[in-house]
Amino acid sequence: DGGITQSPKYLFRKEGQNVTLSCEQNLNHDAMYWYRQDPGQGLRLIYYSQIVNDFQKGDIAEGYSVSREKKESFPLTVTSAQKNPTAFYLCASSIHGESTEAFFGQGTRLTVV
Amino acid sequence: AQKITQTQPGMFVQEKEAVTLDCTYDTSDQSYGLFWYKQPSSGEMIFLIYQGSYDEQNATEGRYSLNFQKARKSANLVISASQLGDSAMYFCVDATGGGNKLTFGTGTQLKVEL
Repeated sequence: DGGITQSPKYLFRKEGQNVTLSCEQNLNHDAMYWYRQDPGQGLRLIYYSQIVNDFQKGDIAEGYSVSREKKESFPLTVTSAQKNPTAFYLCASSIHGESTEAFFGQGTRLTVV
Repeated sequence: AQKITQTQPGMFVQEKEAVTLDCTYDTSDQSYGLFWYKQPSSGEMIFLIYQGSYDEQNATEGRYSLNFQKARKSANLVISASQLGDSAMYFCVDATGGGNKLTFGTGTQLKVEL
């Protein structure tokens, strides 16, 4: 089955630690995205990538880093520089260059303890 | 920059009634797309319906239809015959033409009551 997979579903991290969230898709989509969602709010774009080995900062990129070494994978690292990392993180993918639907993963809920 | 405005933070509707969720957008692009997504309490985003800026007819998908008024820059979602399972957060989303960078509205929490 084609789709987009995020892991883990729940993640706990101690303050000061970096943590990497996984996002894999087998839809052959060029574009991939990371969003952050805080309780009762909409999604805010962290980073996006339209092609392998290229990515752009979104609206709230500070304290985050990404890589796009493979078309299928777009991992997000939440660094210790991110002052308030506790949130729900959603990864998405879509066909680049066309206004078609984006497919979302199930999300990762990150909690800093 | 694209901007999506959803002015209804919460809505209530009775089962089997129709409900309209409002969305206005602000773009200078000639080519754009507008989506509606549903987010149940479990967290996943579910695609509902899409409207392209050049589509002449309003989009429909089952019980979902989009009331697209280009001159007013509005793209309201209409859900007919509401069901309890429709209770969720609904997001209006803009996709800029050619770039596919999605801009989300703040969402409307819909609660369907018996």
